[in-house]
Amino acid sequence: AQSVTQLGSHVSVSEGALVLLRCNYSSSVPPYLFWYVQYPNQGLQLLLKYTSAATLVKGINGFEAEFKKSETSFHLTKPSAHMSDAAEYFCAVWGGTALIFGKGTTLSVSS
Amino acid sequence: GAGVSQSPSNKVTEKGKDVELRCDPISGHTALYWYRQSLGQGLEFLIYFQGNSAPDKSGLPSDRFSAERTGGSVSTLTIQRTQQEDSAVYLCASSFGGREGGYTFGSGTRLTVV
Repeated sequence: AQSVTQLGSHVSVSEGALVLLRCNYSSSVPPYLFWYVQYPNQGLQLLLKYTSAATLVKGINGFEAEFKKSETSFHLTKPSAHMSDAAEYFCAVWGGTALIFGKGTTLSVSS
Repeated sequence: GAGVSQSPSNKVTEKGKDVELRCDPISGHTALYWYRQSLGQGLEFLIYFQGNSAPDKSGLPSDRFSAERTGGSVSTLTIQRTQQEDSAVYLCASSFGGREGGYTFGSGTRLTVV
């Protein structure tokens, strides 16, 4: 069975600092992995996805993620945080018929 | 419409009452999903519809929960005899199906059972 674990339910950074949100997966088959962002009172929006092509995936709003099979990881990064990046971020893995989501990481950005 | 539309956006109901939540997916999307989002619990898969195939109901938490999709488009999630633990945000998503496309989510229905 597939699953994802997001390390850290809350991450705080200063504006301009590196953002690193951690996700580890478990999958018995080559995984398809996703990152979503949820702004307050909104639905989830797709940031980026890994579908077995390039291991470094670039998404919207300057985010990127690197698939590392040896570490079973798919961490999300952004070189320089903006105040507008404050949101909840979800990692997900394709579970055969539907996406299986992690519990989410809330990103706070301070000025 | 251009996006996934859910109604109502907020619903307050008394314990024991039945509620219906509606989802209108993106036109042409064959797959439709319902998830439940509780505080600190992430997204819990409930049910999946793909075209005219039988739905995958494996995530429904009890027999009080049911869903249907009429004409391959609009879906209704029904919760009978609501309990306080049913309070959550119910999210609907649609896609063209398959594992590569990712979903488009609606803004959700916030259900509060009092």
